[in-house]
This record gives sequence, C-alpha cells and structure tokens, in this order.
Amino acid sequence: AQKITQTQPGMFVQEKEAVTLDCTYDTSDPSYGLFWYKQPSSGEMIFLIYQGSYDQQNATEGRYSLNFQKARKSANLVISASQLGDSAMYFCAMRDRTYKYIFGTGTRLKVLA
Amino acid sequence: EAGVVQSPRYKIIEKKQPVAFWCNPISGHNTLYWYRQNLGQGPELLIRYENEEAVDDSQLPKDRFSAERLKGVDSTLKIQPAELGDSAVYLCASSLALAGVHKDEQFFGPGTRLTVL
Repeated sequence: AQKITQTQPGMFVQEKEAVTLDCTYDTSDPSYGLFWYKQPSSGEMIFLIYQGSYDQQNATEGRYSLNFQKARKSANLVISASQLGDSAMYFCAMRDRTYKYIFGTGTRLKVLA
Repeated sequence: EAGVVQSPRYKIIEKKQPVAFWCNPISGHNTLYWYRQNLGQGPELLIRYENEEAVDDSQLPKDRFSAERLKGVDSTLKIQPAELGDSAVYLCASSLALAGVHKDEQFFGPGTRLTVL
C-alpha cells in the first residue's frame, strides 16, 4: 500500500536560517510524483515544488529545494533563508500513475524572529 | 486569473441535516478533486473527476455522500444526513492534467469548514 510519512509534527527555525522538513514514502509503482504544499493559517493549500520519480536532478523553486533520495524513498523539503511568512503547515504528497494522491500528516513550521 | 472558488466558507448544521458544498474550478482545468481534511491531518481524497466523469470515488462514503460535476465545470458535494464525525474542512482542488505531463500541481480553494452539532 502507498504511504507518506512525515515524522516531524513541529519544527522551529530562526529567521534567515535553512530548515529541512522530512518526508518518506512507500510505493511499489515505478512512476510517481512527489509534491510539497504549504498551508498557512488561512487554510488554502499552496503548491511549492514537484519531483518526478524519473527526474535525475533535484527540483528547485526559488528558496525551496527537494532533496530526492530515491533509494531511501525520501523527499525532504529544504527551505533556505527562512522568512517569518514561511510559518505554516507543510504537507508532502505523492501521486501514483493513476493520479491518486495521498498526503502526509504535515509538519508545522514556526519561524522565529 | 481567478482561483478555485468554494462556497460557503463556513457551515454549521445539526446532525441528520443535509448540507451541500459548491466548487468552481479554475477555467480550463479538466480535473477536479474533493478532499476532506480533519483537524491536524492532511487532506484525504473523496472523489476525483476528469471532465464529467468520476474516475475515482473509492473513498467516498456513498451511503451519505454524493457528488456531481455537471458539464465538466462546477461541482457540488452533498452530505445527507450529516453526522457528528463529518465535521471537517472540505477542500476542492483543480488541475490541468495533460497526457504525458506529470507535473500536474493542484490548485486548491479556501475550503468549507463544516461543523455538525
């Protein structure tokens, strides 16, 4: 069965520092996609970054990068130069070849001034 | 470009009452999703549409939940009758799923927060 695991319920980071949010996944499907979404207190989910299972390079989008380690089945999100506005819930998600999505339980990030 | 629109934003009902949620996806998006998000959890897929067709409703509790997407645009999700355990945020999302394109990020609406008393 497919599964997404986020083991960090909460994280703190000092403003301007980098932070890594962990995500591991389990699937037997060779074709899948991995996503990270941000959910501020307003409730709306915001897409951050995508990594395809066949992508050779780690994805980057501005201050966000995805540390994709396929053999370890991990897809950690790295946020560089944290800002106060980064405080939110962060969800890792996986999509299989049938376009079924599953989400992790999330990590609450708090950026400290 | 307008985002995904959902209404109402909040709904409070008594158990056993019916309730309906409405979603208008981003123009041109062929795929629409309904999720339920319980407090402190990630979203759980209820149903996925490709155009008018419900292609995945395996996690929709069909005894009380129903959904439709007429003309492949707007969608409604209905619960009848509502139970206490249905209290959650109901999220609608849309995406433009193209054959051979795998980066199909979903765009989410603000959600409807349902409270069943």
